[in-house]
Amino acid sequence: SQQGEEDPQALSIQEGENATMNCSYKTSINNLQWYRQNSGRGLVHLILIRSNEREKHSGRLRVTLDTSKKSSSLLITASRAADTASYFCATAIRSNDYKLSFGAGTTVTVRA
Amino acid sequence: GAGVSQSPRYKVAKRGQDVALRCDPISGHVSLFWYQQALGQGPEFLTYFQNEAQLDKSGLPSDRFFAERPEGSVSTLKIQRTQQEDSAVYLCASSPAGTRDEQYFGPGTRLTVT
Repeated sequence: SQQGEEDPQALSIQEGENATMNCSYKTSINNLQWYRQNSGRGLVHLILIRSNEREKHSGRLRVTLDTSKKSSSLLITASRAADTASYFCATAIRSNDYKLSFGAGTTVTVRA
Repeated sequence: GAGVSQSPRYKVAKRGQDVALRCDPISGHVSLFWYQQALGQGPEFLTYFQNEAQLDKSGLPSDRFFAERPEGSVSTLKIQRTQQEDSAVYLCASSPAGTRDEQYFGPGTRLTVT
């Protein structure tokens, strides 16, 4: 079973616009990670945010975490065609923090 | 440096056949994970190794699934008597040491059972 749920399921934006996707989860976590998957390829780690952190930045990516609401958001600023991919949040729960639990993902399409 | 590699990249098996999927983790990575990804879904955890020890196999769907990592490096996921519902992408990931780090994923093996 999957703990995380991403919202929306799909997103289509124009190049240069920002893309925001959300992730909700159910149980207490050690950390939450975001991964990107291009069509037919493996997952690439984007960013990890720990349960005691509220916001983290990496390049054009900004991740927030609200443990009281059990939710996280990923913002991609100034999107590019190369950002077209599926984005997954994955949670590492406290009791088994090696076991990542992924959501079903948000499919982002960036139109040129 | 080299990332996680998996072979074969694609496998077509007739129902009832046995298959073996190989994972070469990043050199020196202690932790190794297998995930199953159905079409349109996120990966689901199958099993976890720390060196050669299989510490968690709770995600393996049935006793037809078996994984090993005998020397603490290369791992093999074996599926016996394949069924159509086994069709999925099987992803391998490794991480350096502790279990709280990011995981580095291979490209996956797409298994199609006909």
